[in-house]
Amino acid sequence: LAKTTQPISMDSYEGQEVNITCSHNNIATNDYITWYQQFPSQGPRFIIQGYKTKVTNEVASLFIPADRKSSTLSLPRVSLSDTAVYYCLVGDPINAGNNRKLIWGLGTSLAVNP
Amino acid sequence: DTGVSQDPRHKITKRGQNVTFRCDPISEHNRLYWYRQTLGQGPEFLTYFQNEAQLEKSRLLSDRFSAERPKGSFSTLEIQRTEQGDSAMYLCASSSDLNTEAFFGQGTRLTVV
Repeated sequence: LAKTTQPISMDSYEGQEVNITCSHNNIATNDYITWYQQFPSQGPRFIIQGYKTKVTNEVASLFIPADRKSSTLSLPRVSLSDTAVYYCLVGDPINAGNNRKLIWGLGTSLAVNP
Repeated sequence: DTGVSQDPRHKITKRGQNVTFRCDPISEHNRLYWYRQTLGQGPEFLTYFQNEAQLEKSRLLSDRFSAERPKGSFSTLEIQRTEQGDSAMYLCASSSDLNTEAFFGQGTRLTVV
C-alpha cells in the first residue's frame, strides 16, 4: 500500500493560491490520487481525484507529473472557510471496496489568515 | 437530507459499558465503511460492508467491537466493555460501485470516562 507524505501545516492569506504537495514514491500502476478536506468535528469531504496530468473541478486542481511520484493540490484564491485539514490518499479505485485500502496520514493543516 | 447520517453525534459513557452507534448511508450506496479517528490523526479503517456482507475487518477491530448491516441498508457498530482508549470519533462512509468517492457522515464522538 502506497504511503503518502505531506507537510504537517501550511499558512496562507485570503485571496492567495495555495499549493499542497504530496509525495507517494511507491504508487502502483492502478493507483489513483484522491484528496479529502476535513473541518473540525466533521467527516472528511471529497475534493478531487486524478490518475495523471491535470484534473480540475469547481473547487480545486490536481497536478500529477509524468512519474506520478508526487501530486499537488491547488486551491485558487483561498478564503477563511478553506481553513481545514487536507488529506492526500493513494489507492486503486477499481477493485471492490477500494476505500478500505486507503491509508490516511496526518494530513496538512491549512490555516488561512485574513 | 440525502447524505450519510450518524446517530448519536456525541456519546459519553462509563468505562465497562456497552455502546452502539448507527449509520444510515446514502440510500443507493451498497458499500459502507467504518473508521475511527483520534485527535490529530487521520481516519483509521475499521471495517467494510458490501451490501449486507462484512468483507473486511481491520486488526484494529478487537473482539469487543462488532458491526452489522443486516439488510444492506443501515449499519450499527457496537463496542462492548468500553475502555478509555476507545474514546475517539467514529466515522461512517458510503460509496457506490460506480463512484470511488466516499461520502462521510459527521461522525459519533465517543468519550469513555
